[in-house]
Amino acid sequence: EVQLVESGGGLVQPGGSLRLSCAASGFTFSSHWMSWVRQAPGKGLEWVANIKKDGSQKYYVDPVKGRFTISRDNAKNSLYLQMNSLRAEDTAVYYCARIDYDSSGHFDYWGQGTLVTVSS
Amino acid sequence: DIQMTQSPSTLSASVGDRVTITCRASQSISSWLAWYQQKPGKAPKLLIYKASSLESGVPSRFSGSGSGTEFTLTITSLQPDDFATYYCHQYNSYPYTFGQGTKLEIK
Repeated sequence: EVQLVESGGGLVQPGGSLRLSCAASGFTFSSHWMSWVRQAPGKGLEWVANIKKDGSQKYYVDPVKGRFTISRDNAKNSLYLQMNSLRAEDTAVYYCARIDYDSSGHFDYWGQGTLVTVSS
Repeated sequence: DIQMTQSPSTLSASVGDRVTITCRASQSISSWLAWYQQKPGKAPKLLIYKASSLESGVPSRFSGSGSGTEFTLTITSLQPDDFATYYCHQYNSYPYTFGQGTKLEIK
């Protein structure tokens, strides 16, 4: 059974940093692109970042470029999101999601999400 | 960036109804479109990918159609479990973008 379990969320002050983790199981992690998607309270979904199977390619949405870094450790079946210079508008539930297959981009499995709150 | 516009934003319907949600892209995305269902406090669930392919395990009352810039999600014979929010998602090009969501409510 495919499982994605996020952790690392919490309350952080504006300008602070946080590192999210996503533990994957039930599939060959190194065979899939992975993503982070976020959802601000009461709002819609926003794609944040993608990372290629081997970590060699990364893509970001403009508002997080230069502040967030997506990475992975295939030996540990883990995905990460390092978030620096956090702003109030980064407050959201952050989901880890698996991209179905190489030439696709749709998310076939999602984690349960971890809440990040940026507030003083 | 490609803008995705869903309509309607809210839809009231009854059990047994047939409903259609529309998603329009600001430029052509070929068939690179997915539909997700989300219930309060839960992660989104994939329903349809590549515009019209039904995800494994999803009931056949869900169907998707369209290509280019106009797409539809149709649910025939609504069931109580179908009342949720639905999002379209384009993955033709970066940045990936989602529609603003359509909340399907019980009439």
